[in-house]
Amino acid sequence: TQLLEQSPQFLSIQEGENLTVYCNSSSVFSSLQWYRQEPGEGPVLLVTVVTGGEVKKLKRLTFQFGDARKDSSLHITAAQPGDTGLYLCAGARSYNTDKLIFGTGTRLQVFP
Amino acid sequence: GAVVSQHPSWVICKSGTSVKIECRSLDFQATTMFWYRQFPKQSLMLMATSNEGSKATYEQGVEKDKFLINHASLTLSTLTVTSAHPEDSSFYICSAEAGGGRVSNQPQHFGDGTRLSIL
Repeated sequence: TQLLEQSPQFLSIQEGENLTVYCNSSSVFSSLQWYRQEPGEGPVLLVTVVTGGEVKKLKRLTFQFGDARKDSSLHITAAQPGDTGLYLCAGARSYNTDKLIFGTGTRLQVFP
Repeated sequence: GAVVSQHPSWVICKSGTSVKIECRSLDFQATTMFWYRQFPKQSLMLMATSNEGSKATYEQGVEKDKFLINHASLTLSTLTVTSAHPEDSSFYICSAEAGGGRVSNQPQHFGDGTRLSIL
């Protein structure tokens, strides 16, 4: 059973479109992170959210942590081909653990 | 920034061979390192947590005698896949963090992974 389910699994869009990726769980997480991974490389951390309802912005990317800390979303405005990659959410189940549980992943392809 | 180096980046070997993968933190001391496995088009699955100077903690379903982990120094952890078989072919990724405790304070820094192909 995957604790963190991401949707959609695949997303193929044109440059300039907006998109939202969801990361959902029935479990509460003390914090949640979003990563982007390119083929043949390790994941790169984009953001960490720790407070329920928290919103963080990173240029064209907006991240939100759900009020109940069970879900999160990543919104990309005006997507560019450089945004192409595998987006992964990852959560920590408690404040006393540094183990991460990774989501199922969303593969994004942005066409010029 | 914090850099984690994995070596080798790609290895092909015959079935029955043992393969060692190194994970090094280049500019910080890593008290904890993690080993993940990623199958094609899938997410990362945690295999084990490696703490310097102590035995690794393996996740449920991961054979510790199959995947030997050694964390002998604060900058190096190794994963040895013993008697590898084709089903062990995968992308293995390590990560390292400077201190234990809250994820939000001590992020994991990931290596670029090792692609293992067993013929």
